[in-house]
Amino acid sequence: GAVVSQHPSRVICKSGTSVKIECRSLDFQATTMFWYRQFPKQSLMLMATSNEGSKATYEQGVEKDKFLINHASLTLSTLTVTSAHPEDSSFYICSATRGSSYNEQFFGPGTRLTVL
Amino acid sequence: QKEVEQNSGPLSVPEGAIASLNCTYSDRVSQSFFWYRQYSGKSPELIMSIYSNGDKEDGRFTAQLNKASQYVSLLIRDSQPSDSATYLCAVTMDSGAGSYQLTFGKGTKLSVIP
Repeated sequence: GAVVSQHPSRVICKSGTSVKIECRSLDFQATTMFWYRQFPKQSLMLMATSNEGSKATYEQGVEKDKFLINHASLTLSTLTVTSAHPEDSSFYICSATRGSSYNEQFFGPGTRLTVL
Repeated sequence: QKEVEQNSGPLSVPEGAIASLNCTYSDRVSQSFFWYRQYSGKSPELIMSIYSNGDKEDGRFTAQLNKASQYVSLLIRDSQPSDSATYLCAVTMDSGAGSYQLTFGKGTKLSVIP
């Protein structure tokens, strides 16, 4: 159990376009989902925490108008990178918890975004 | 600032040896501790979770926690080349208003030499 999927796994887009990434918990209901970003040779950086039916909580320095997060159900959260630019190119990874955010997080396989 | 510290490595061990990975954390009230393995270009995979002082064993992996010293470690016995990866220590820290988030160390790169 505790499988998290992400789609797409890889996306290449032109500068100025928007990209939507989906994160799904396949075999459990995720009370909380998290979105991370990882640049090459760096550790994971938390972007935002998302609870079903409420607004996401963004980390300091993350533009909420640029990175739109929607947590429509207990099994689905989406991250939309609006007006993407080359500096947004990164590895985006979601995770989900089964209980409180105190518990272990299960990660999706990640989405590699390349903005040309 | 709440931090999780790890040696970046690389840590090289011969096949069959014990690999020892260490982590310290700054938030004294942290209660949940995790080790994740991350292969290059892939997302993290949970290996171990530990919540109380002492040792927790799962197969070839043993996690050790010492809350008084704010120290957590991971031992990998009979290391295999397939264990070569970056190991991330993660600690749950209070992010305010009763919610918690994982704070990751920068990871230790392990290389197991055949």
